[in-house]
Amino acid sequence: AQSVAQPEDQVNVAEGNPLTVKCTYSVSGNPYLFWYVQYPNRGLQFLLKYITGDNLVKGSYGFEAEFNKSQTSFHLKKPSALVSDSALYFCAVRDRGSGTYKYIFGTGTRLKVLA
Amino acid sequence: DVKVTQSSRYLVKRTGEKVFLECVQDMDHENMFWYRQDPGLGLRLIYFSYDVKMKEKGDIPEGYSVSREKKERFSLILESASTNQTSMYLCASSPTGTSGKDTQYFGPGTRLTVL
Repeated sequence: AQSVAQPEDQVNVAEGNPLTVKCTYSVSGNPYLFWYVQYPNRGLQFLLKYITGDNLVKGSYGFEAEFNKSQTSFHLKKPSALVSDSALYFCAVRDRGSGTYKYIFGTGTRLKVLA
Repeated sequence: DVKVTQSSRYLVKRTGEKVFLECVQDMDHENMFWYRQDPGLGLRLIYFSYDVKMKEKGDIPEGYSVSREKKERFSLILESASTNQTSMYLCASSPTGTSGKDTQYFGPGTRLTVL
């Protein structure tokens, strides 16, 4: 069965410091991995995805994520946090061999960047 | 720009009412999804559709039904609303293919309150 874990409900970081939002996954085959961000009272916006190839994926707003197959992780990172990065972040996975269209989302991590 | 619109941002209904949530996408996407978002539970898939008149149950279909008569429109129906269906409802669409690598595009959400 597919699953996604975001172990931290909330992450606090000072503006200008690097940030990491953690995600681990479990699929029976090879994964497609995604990060989405949700600003207050808005729908989810796509940030980045890993399909194949380079393990380091760069996305919107200066975010990046590293696919680590041995640790089954896909942590989201940014070298220097901005107050405007404060939002709810979701990791999602799809098993490319599952034969269905289902995407599994994590429970979300609230990022708070302090000025 | 892909646009996914939902008929209402906020909706208040009474227990037992039949409720219709409408979603329209303008990018000719084959796949459409309905999720509900609850604090601490993340996004949970209710139903998805991979073609007109085609649908598949997600993880929590009980108490819901869907309709897709046209490619651009995907409706979620609460046959008899109950208070435990108070939630944020998110619609999404994604482009063609069964590969699952495609990004999902989300609408702004409908916050439904059932009294």
